[in-house]
Amino acid sequence: DGGITQSPKYLFRKEGQNVTLSCEQNLNHDAMYWYRQDPGQGLRLIYYSQIVNDFQKGDIAEGYSVSREKKESFPLTVTSAQKNPTAFYLCASSIPHDKVEPQPQHFGDGTRLSIL
Amino acid sequence: AQKITQTQPGMFVQEKEAVTLDCTYDTSDPSYGLFWYKQPSSGEMIFLIYQGSYDQQNATEGRYSLNFQKARKSANLVISASQLGDSAMYFCAMTGRLAFGKGNQVVVIP
Repeated sequence: DGGITQSPKYLFRKEGQNVTLSCEQNLNHDAMYWYRQDPGQGLRLIYYSQIVNDFQKGDIAEGYSVSREKKESFPLTVTSAQKNPTAFYLCASSIPHDKVEPQPQHFGDGTRLSIL
Repeated sequence: AQKITQTQPGMFVQEKEAVTLDCTYDTSDPSYGLFWYKQPSSGEMIFLIYQGSYDQQNATEGRYSLNFQKARKSANLVISASQLGDSAMYFCAMTGRLAFGKGNQVVVIP
């Protein structure tokens, strides 16, 4: 079955530590996205990538970094510069908007990150 | 820039009744699409329905329908015959950078 896998489901970070959230998809989608969701809030875009080896900052990129070395993978690193990282992180993928009729994003099940 | 606005407070809905969730948007793109997603308490995002800006008819998908009024820039979701499993947060989103609204909380009561 095709889909998006995020791991781990729960993650704890110590002060001053970098942590990396994994996102893998086998849907052959070109575009991938990372969102942050705080309690009672909508999703805010952190980074997105329309193609391998290319990515753009979203609305709240400070304190985060990404890489896109493979089509299937789009890991997100939460750096120590992100002072308030406790949130629910969602990864998504889609066929890019400018290639075909707009397609819905497929989402992973999310990673809940907390500060120790 | 794109913006999605969902401002309704949380809603209680009687089982089997219909509920309408409001969504207004703003964009300068001549062509765009609007999505609705459901997020149950477990956190996953479930795609419900899509409306293209040039679609002549309102989108429908089972018990979900979209009341699309382009001139008013609104794309309200209608859920007919509510079920207990419809209790969730509902998000409106737009194509492009996929701006999301803050969501509508729905609780279906028996």
